[in-house]
Amino acid sequence: TQLLEQSPQFLSIQEGENLTVYCNSSSVFSSLQWYRQEPGEGPVLLVTVVTGGEVKKLKRLTFQFGDARKDSSLHITAAQPGDTGLYLCAGDFFFLNTNAGKSTFGDGTTLTVKP
Amino acid sequence: DAGVTQSPTHLIKTRGQQVTLRCSPKSGHDTVSWYQQALGQGPQFIFQYYEEEERQRGNFPDRFSGHQFPNYSSELNVNALLLGDSALYLCASSPGLAHVSYEQYFGPGTRLTVT
Repeated sequence: TQLLEQSPQFLSIQEGENLTVYCNSSSVFSSLQWYRQEPGEGPVLLVTVVTGGEVKKLKRLTFQFGDARKDSSLHITAAQPGDTGLYLCAGDFFFLNTNAGKSTFGDGTTLTVKP
Repeated sequence: DAGVTQSPTHLIKTRGQQVTLRCSPKSGHDTVSWYQQALGQGPQFIFQYYEEEERQRGNFPDRFSGHQFPNYSSELNVNALLLGDSALYLCASSPGLAHVSYEQYFGPGTRLTVT
């Protein structure tokens, strides 16, 4: 069973602060995604990282994939109230025998940015 | 370009009943995955359909079954409903199985309440 642990579980900060959330596993992933989910809605894909050590930037968000492809981090600079939401990471595995993929999600970090 | 759509939005059922949830994938996507998201947790993988066949399955009992139609839309069926089946059921579509970066696009979900 591939497990993903996200930390912290909850994070409450003031507008303008920086933050980092983490996603860790003992398993190696084919790729890893970060999603943001708002209450009552489905997760929205933010980024996919594929290569160990890869860094991707999306405006104020910086995503890093660990060298060993077992962990990832999401850093937000100058957080805004609109960043509030549940941040989920998901690791992907490919099964060559069925040519199918499977995503394993962590339980997420609930971020609250206060104005 | 229509994204992933799901119906119904909300559903209330009684223990022991059966339910069918529906999903239409994003245009151009032929793979559909279903997830169960309990309150406060990340999505849990139920199964994935491609070419009208179940390709991968998570740790869910046989009460959970599905189907994919030639137009790539999909149904999730749950028999003999239990209180613990109450959750947000998410459908995700992706463009085929063999992509290196395995990107999924989620629908808004169906909120199922079992009383």
